[in-house]
Amino acid sequence: KAGVTQTPRYLIKTRGQQVTLSCSPISGHRSVSWYQQTPGQGLQFLFEYFSETQRNKGNFPGRFSGRQFSNSRSEMNVSTLELGDSALYLCASSSSGLETYEQYFGPGTRLTVT
Amino acid sequence: AQTVTQSQPEMSVQEAETVTLSCTYDTSESDYYLFWYKQPPSRQMILVIRQEAYKQQNATENRFSVNFQKAAKSFSLKISDSQLGDAAMYFCASEGGSEKLVFGKGTKLTVNP
Repeated sequence: KAGVTQTPRYLIKTRGQQVTLSCSPISGHRSVSWYQQTPGQGLQFLFEYFSETQRNKGNFPGRFSGRQFSNSRSEMNVSTLELGDSALYLCASSSSGLETYEQYFGPGTRLTVT
Repeated sequence: AQTVTQSQPEMSVQEAETVTLSCTYDTSESDYYLFWYKQPPSRQMILVIRQEAYKQQNATENRFSVNFQKAAKSFSLKISDSQLGDAAMYFCASEGGSEKLVFGKGTKLTVNP
């Protein structure tokens, strides 16, 4: 069974631009969670989607948004990029989201904002 | 808010030796899960071991075991017979309810040959 995939793996953007990251969960998994990883703040939960609905949300500004499609693939969007948005963005999938212990992570997308 | 604290930013161990990584947490949940994740330089986060809080018995996965002290809210990871491939960042995490996983800052483990 294929693992969680994320595209692109690396991205360089300029301040003020917007960016869209994609995550394809493990086949059969319906929950996708997104995390931001930075050296200063560590790993922080962004949001979780389940069956095309945002079910949980972390403490991030409205510039960070996401969505999930009927095939469970998820995208996250960051608008009006700031230098502080430079981070590794990880997504994780699980079968239903209720069993947190079954979260499987993708390799991440490294976003650099210049 | 739930918090997870890893007090050791870096640790080192000789190959074949044993090392223990520390983690403390704070939660108001009565039933929860705790995890140790490994993130090698390739960045793929891998689940090492998990513990269900209501279980008294400490979890074990091959060379990895935990010492779970519920009253003290302590959850340490012991790696036995350390191997070069164990070198990585190790993150302790708790099930954060609506926050999903809450992570500690991580411990960088170096394995010396």
